[in-house]
Amino acid sequence: EPEVTQTPSHQVTQMGQEVILRCVPISNHLYFYWYRQILGQKVEFLVSFYNNEISEKSEIFDDQFSVERPDGSNFTLKIRSTKLEDSAMYFCASRPPGGYSGNTIYFGEGSWLTVV
Amino acid sequence: SQQGEEDPQALSIQEGENATMNCSYKTSINNLQWYRQNSGRGLVHLILIRSNEREKHSGRLRVTLDTSKKSSSLLITASRAADTASYFCATGRYGGSQGNLIFGKGTKLSVKP
Repeated sequence: EPEVTQTPSHQVTQMGQEVILRCVPISNHLYFYWYRQILGQKVEFLVSFYNNEISEKSEIFDDQFSVERPDGSNFTLKIRSTKLEDSAMYFCASRPPGGYSGNTIYFGEGSWLTVV
Repeated sequence: SQQGEEDPQALSIQEGENATMNCSYKTSINNLQWYRQNSGRGLVHLILIRSNEREKHSGRLRVTLDTSKKSSSLLITASRAADTASYFCATGRYGGSQGNLIFGKGTKLSVKP
């Protein structure tokens, strides 16, 4: 069964460093998302991406964050200057084409980011 | 309570018993989805119920939706030890982006063999 894949599974980085998290969404999907889950807290929406542009973003997704689809398969989340509070599990997700309310969103296994 | 709040927060049952988890939300929704998360792992989609549906089944799962009460329930019948996980409901806001899901804090289910 097709799945969303994410790399790395775990990354430790120094505060202030740039981090890039990578995702390969399911191949025929057109809508892509990033979510995060701080340890012990809710899963939170960060950003949605469609047609090579951001379609919606949350308050969390400030200027330190950016997303890109550099080629036909990868979808990346960049954090320019990491802070301790960026430590979290980051989930990539994708959704198939179609606009009706029944579309399922598929999540990857997550990338666990630890900022020290 | 906030959008997508589950209760109970934790549930411990014996294998073979049924597990019922509830979710409440505040705003109008397009659909409601239930996900499972094993400790430290990704979110596995279980079932989606649209706002115009009242009940849906998938294997041992039964989901109900009451839009008048803004609540949903997830029933797992004949539970197994492998069902041990956290279960989250997630709502898609009516009129909003389909992918902007609002998650609850989850119910941590423990099924003892």
